[in-house]
Amino acid sequence: DAGVIQSPRHEVTEMGQEVTLRCKPISGHDYLFWYRQTMMRGLELLIYFNNNVPIDDSGMPEDRFSAKMPNASFSTLKIQPSEPRDSAVYFCASSTSNYGYTFGSGTRLTVV
Amino acid sequence: KQEVTQIPAALSVPEGENLVLNCSFTDSAIYNLQWFRQDPGKGLTSLLLIQSSQREQTSGRLNASLDKSSGRSTLYIAASQPGDSATYLCAVRVINAGNMLTFGGGTRLMVKP
Repeated sequence: DAGVIQSPRHEVTEMGQEVTLRCKPISGHDYLFWYRQTMMRGLELLIYFNNNVPIDDSGMPEDRFSAKMPNASFSTLKIQPSEPRDSAVYFCASSTSNYGYTFGSGTRLTVV
Repeated sequence: KQEVTQIPAALSVPEGENLVLNCSFTDSAIYNLQWFRQDPGKGLTSLLLIQSSQREQTSGRLNASLDKSSGRSTLYIAASQPGDSATYLCAVRVINAGNMLTFGGGTRLMVKP
């Protein structure tokens, strides 16, 4: 298995633009998580899905953030409109009920 | 609410030394505990996973222990090498919290040649 695959690896965008981050979880994993990492706050859970259904989105900072999981092999995290304070590394991770997490390599987002 | 604390926040040791990283958590009702490594600018790599029924796990020079009743885990690194320099994070999966992991703040390790 290629692991959890995220794209793009780096994204630089202007304030106000829409940003879409993508994630392909490991086949057979029924949980998918989106995290954000900054120096100030460390790792923060934004939202997670179980069997493609959003379970807890209490970590999503604002209505500008939205996430979807249309099928078991794909998820997106969208920020619209983006702001400089959204600059961070965004990680996707997947797992099964009884096993540990596997993280993707992350997307480094810079909003200028 | 589960809180996970890692001590020390940073550690610098000479090459060859054996070292211990500490992790403590407030809620002992956990499914498992996982140790990760993160290199600068990179993602998280899973090192060891300890289920709640286990006391320890070993992988090469790494050994992780779990004392659920006292809310503690340690990561032991034998014969440290400069390549071990990274940030080490522990995370617990809490019962009655879905499948969410709660992370500690990490220990930043520097092994000097």
